[in-house]
Amino acid sequence: LAKTTQPISMDSYEGQEVNITCSHNNIATNDYITWYQQFPSQGPRFIIQGYKTKVTNEVASLFIPADRKSSTLSLPRVSLSDTAVYYCLVGGGGGADGLTFGKGTHLIIQP
Amino acid sequence: EPEVTQTPSHQVTQMGQEVILRCVPISNHLYFYWYRQILGQKVEFLVSFYNNEISEKSEIFDDQFSVERPDGSNFTLKIRSTKLEDSAMYFCASSDPPASHEQYFGPGTRLTVT
Repeated sequence: LAKTTQPISMDSYEGQEVNITCSHNNIATNDYITWYQQFPSQGPRFIIQGYKTKVTNEVASLFIPADRKSSTLSLPRVSLSDTAVYYCLVGGGGGADGLTFGKGTHLIIQP
Repeated sequence: EPEVTQTPSHQVTQMGQEVILRCVPISNHLYFYWYRQILGQKVEFLVSFYNNEISEKSEIFDDQFSVERPDGSNFTLKIRSTKLEDSAMYFCASSDPPASHEQYFGPGTRLTVT
């Protein structure tokens, strides 16, 4: 499994755009990149998944360069409720595999 | 929006006792999972289940653990003889590949072994 590296924590302010970068130098050809969000005492929640270039949905964008060795989760105009742990996962995109979570990035949004 | 539900929300048990954690996955999903998260640590995969059998399991999922889908709606995790180190949050998840890549997680059961 490709190992991922992401910052342990980040701070930002309400209304700002937040970008969280994840490194995955050993990503395999058939690996997808998936981001999950977790609030305290809750289960993780899927945010976005991509394979290459850019993916956008109603809550976030995911930027993946051509070499796919890193990815950046972009959260537009964050609010206090975006304070959470964000996990970058790399693996098969079929959705049937057990997920391997790292320690994630603890994002703290201040007023 | 459909969601995964889990019961109980909190279970306290004594060391050596058996516990059963229950989950109701999203109704049209075919893949089911259990994860655990020890307080302050990362989420760890335990087991995946498809077509009434285990698809994949981690090293954590030893003979102490078992899973079952006793009827068309419930999915259970049994821990036969609990240990202090089994204290954790246990999350159930379900998915419906290839229609969707995401795994939907339940709210979790906090297991406290005393």
